[in-house]
Amino acid sequence: QVQLQQWGAGLLKPSETLSLTCAVYGGSFSDYYWSWIRQPPGKGLEWIGDIDHSGNTIYNPSFKTRVIMSVDTSKNHFSLNLISVTAADTAVYYCARVGFSGIFDYWGQGTLVTVSS
Amino acid sequence: QSVLTQPPAVSGAPGQRVTISCTGSSSNIGAGYDVNWYQQLPGTAPRLLIYGNTNRPSGVPDRFSGSKSGTSASLAITGLQAEDEADYYCQSYDSRLSGSVFGGGTKLTVL
Repeated sequence: QVQLQQWGAGLLKPSETLSLTCAVYGGSFSDYYWSWIRQPPGKGLEWIGDIDHSGNTIYNPSFKTRVIMSVDTSKNHFSLNLISVTAADTAVYYCARVGFSGIFDYWGQGTLVTVSS
Repeated sequence: QSVLTQPPAVSGAPGQRVTISCTGSSSNIGAGYDVNWYQQLPGTAPRLLIYGNTNRPSGVPDRFSGSKSGTSASLAITGLQAEDEADYYCQSYDSRLSGSVFGGGTKLTVL
């Protein structure tokens, strides 16, 4: 059974860096891409980007200048860093596994990140 | 503004059938990319409901079905139950974005 468990700081000030990590338990880490998706309060889902076990990344152009994803294969972890956050980055951030044909088949529990001065 | 367009809300009485549409364009659904559907209950992470346009993962009741035609896809729910009250999202791949895109979500209310 695949499980994703995520954590990170929940309250940030404008211009700070958002940092989240997701741990993968069960299943293969190297056979998949791993994704970050966010959901602003009361709004829909927005794909941020994907990373594989080798560190190959695909970013949503909307975030490309501010996002850095990384992976630690020794721990089966992957991470999201989003620099220079603003109030518009306030959202629940989810990590997810990218299964075949681009489906998001396993999700983390979500982390609410609030950006406020 | 989401790349895939869904109605903001639909509703139906218990036992009825409802459908949720998802309209895309020639760079995503119309290009032949698969459509997937997710159910999000209040306060929880989305759950995969339909994949590859028409397929249900293990554990998803056959009351849920998906279809796709041209630049659009639909999710149908028959025999509505109170527990179906949730937000539903469609998702596909977009060649202009070179990544995944979601619909804006549809809130289903069971009357």
